[in-house]
Amino acid sequence: GAVVSQHPSWVICKSGTSVKIECRSLDFQATTMFWYRQFPKQSLMLMATSNEGSKATYEQGVEKDKFLINHASLTLSTLTVTSAHPEDSSFYICSARDNRDTEAFFGQGTRLTVV
Amino acid sequence: GQNIDQPTEMTATEGAIVQINCTYQTSGFNGLFWYQQHAGEAPTFLSYNVLDGLEEKGRFSSFLSRSKGYSYLLLKELQMTDSASYLCAGMDSNYQLIWGAGTKLIIKP
Repeated sequence: GAVVSQHPSWVICKSGTSVKIECRSLDFQATTMFWYRQFPKQSLMLMATSNEGSKATYEQGVEKDKFLINHASLTLSTLTVTSAHPEDSSFYICSARDNRDTEAFFGQGTRLTVV
Repeated sequence: GQNIDQPTEMTATEGAIVQINCTYQTSGFNGLFWYQQHAGEAPTFLSYNVLDGLEEKGRFSSFLSRSKGYSYLLLKELQMTDSASYLCAGMDSNYQLIWGAGTKLIIKP
C-alpha cells in the first residue's frame, strides 16, 4: 500500500509552546488529508479535513485557531498545536487518500505530551 | 444520524476463529472498511467492501450486507499478535469515514 510518513513520532513540550506535526504522502498525491486525535482507550476523533490548496474544514468543537492545519502541497500537510496545554496531550494521527473512494492510509501517529 | 455500532470487547482463544460484527447507519453508502490498531500505533487497513458478500484475504475475511446495514470481520487461526482493536468505518455519500469505537480483541493461549 501507499506510505504516509508522520513526524515526529513523539514529542514532549512545555505548556504554552507550539508544536508542529508533519504528514507526508511518500508515493502518491494526497488530495485529501485527515487529522485525528485519539485519547487512551478511545476511538479516533476526526479533527479536520483538508484539501490541497484550500482551507481545512474543522469538526464541531475543534478550535481552528488552536489547531492550525496547512495543506500546502499534494504531499504535505501540517498540524500546529498552538499554545499547548496538558489537556492537549494525546495521540495525533494523520491519514491521506488520493481519490474519494479509496482507502485512507495512516501515518504512524504522534504522541504529544504537554508538561 | 450516522452511527457505527460494534462490540466493545471480545475474547478468543489462540488458534480459534472469531467474528466481529458491525452495524452501520450512514447518509448514503460508499463502502465499509475494517482497520486493525495495535495499542499505541496508528490503524492499518484490513479490508474494504462495497458489494454484498464475503471477501477473503488470507486469515481475514470481511462480509457485507447492504440491505441489513451489517458487516463482520472474520479472523481464523488466531494468533497472539492478533490482539488489537478492530475498527469498523462506513463511508457516507460525501466519502467521509464514520468510525466505530472499535472492538478490543483479547487472545488467550
